[in-house]
Amino acid sequence: ETGVTQTPRHLVMGMTNKKSLKCEQHLGHNAMYWYKQSAKKPLELMFVYSLEERVENNSVPSRFSPECPNSSHLFLHLHTLQPEDSALYLCASSQEVVAGVGGDTQYFGPGTRLTVL
Amino acid sequence: GESVGLHLPTLSVQEGDNSIINCAYSNSASDYFIWYKQESGKGPQFIIDIRSNMDKRQGQRVTVLLNKTVKHLSLQIAATQPGDSAVYFCAEQGGSEKLVFGKGTKLTVNP
Repeated sequence: ETGVTQTPRHLVMGMTNKKSLKCEQHLGHNAMYWYKQSAKKPLELMFVYSLEERVENNSVPSRFSPECPNSSHLFLHLHTLQPEDSALYLCASSQEVVAGVGGDTQYFGPGTRLTVL
Repeated sequence: GESVGLHLPTLSVQEGDNSIINCAYSNSASDYFIWYKQESGKGPQFIIDIRSNMDKRQGQRVTVLLNKTVKHLSLQIAATQPGDSAVYFCAEQGGSEKLVFGKGTKLTVNP
């Protein structure tokens, strides 16, 4: 285990539903990330938080809303998603964010497999 | 824009053989590189990293080689085992830029 947990592991939702993904890291890291992983595509960075402050929003549609109540927890609130949003959503954490994004080895959770009907 | 890619989308090897997975990067300012392994149904798992002031770094059964001249990164797995079957992808970072991930190479180990 990497020390990063995600729940739920699988989620099926309709386009009108509201759901939330949860991530928790037990590594004492200061930075947390949300990534989207679609089939045959590189990982797409969505959001970066450093010490509970959002430092990166990578042109993500407003139907995805992140929340970081503390440095150990990260949420991704989902609202009126589209079928093309179906993907594996990965959370990661790292010790620090250096001058913006990245800068340290990132450790990933197992992901939430999201299917939007 | 800058990108990181992999030469082969799939690689099939026999158990016990050595595996070499390649990665090309285009950002000459990149100074930090990571290899990740992702097994089916799991998140990416850190394998090994290397900074640009090094050409080679060894871990347990894995070696990463960095050739800055041709902007090439490789991951060598010695005595490949069935448990090594996964998708491997590299990531690169330059300075304060965000980590950029490649698409991945699927390694299949045949018994």
